[in-house]
Amino acid sequence: GENVEQHPSTLSVQEGDSAVIKCTYSDSASNYFPWYKQELGKGPQLIIDIRSNVGEKKDQRIAVTLNKTAKHFSLHITETQPEDSAVYFCAAVEANQAGTALIFGKGTTLSVSS
Amino acid sequence: NAGVTQTPKFQVLKTGQSMTLQCAQDMNHNSMYWYRQDPGMGLRLIYYSASEGTTDKGEVPNGYNVSRLNKREFSLRLESAAPSQTSVYFCASSEYGGSMDEKLFFGSGTQLSVL
Repeated sequence: GENVEQHPSTLSVQEGDSAVIKCTYSDSASNYFPWYKQELGKGPQLIIDIRSNVGEKKDQRIAVTLNKTAKHFSLHITETQPEDSAVYFCAAVEANQAGTALIFGKGTTLSVSS
Repeated sequence: NAGVTQTPKFQVLKTGQSMTLQCAQDMNHNSMYWYRQDPGMGLRLIYYSASEGTTDKGEVPNGYNVSRLNKREFSLRLESAAPSQTSVYFCASSEYGGSMDEKLFFGSGTQLSVL
């Protein structure tokens, strides 16, 4: 089955710096890669996603890149702000006999200090 | 719109007790999901319902049962709670379902402790 590895587990940056979180996946058939942000005491929220026919996608200060050959994808946050502090999860879709499932990485805790 | 509503927000059980976690969505979504979140483990899928009337096992279904009561509601039942089921439980929904390649809308979670 699909295995999603996420690094680093914690990341501390100064306000205004960039932050990069990386994920690798094992199933070459995976074709959808979302990123979720979870603020303290809340459920995760989708912030950006990318499909396998695209190499990069941007939305204001966040971007995701995908390298299908190497089976890894990354989240880039530029000009970080204190409100970016949260836990970020990457995920990949696994297709199996029972159907499909969204397999999550273990999460990265991002701390942005002002 | 409230989105995805979960009840209760907190619950403490003794080993062997049973309980049902409730989830309702008001977005007319077809698919609903139950995840558990443990420290350092990310989110793991327990059960999902791709459409009203269907349910399927996820990664970690043992010890749980689910009911898709109608299109709005999807409940998770622990028949005999065990300490290993101490976790934060999230319900989620998606508009279409089936292929999992779409946005999930999560509730705010239920923190469950089993003593």
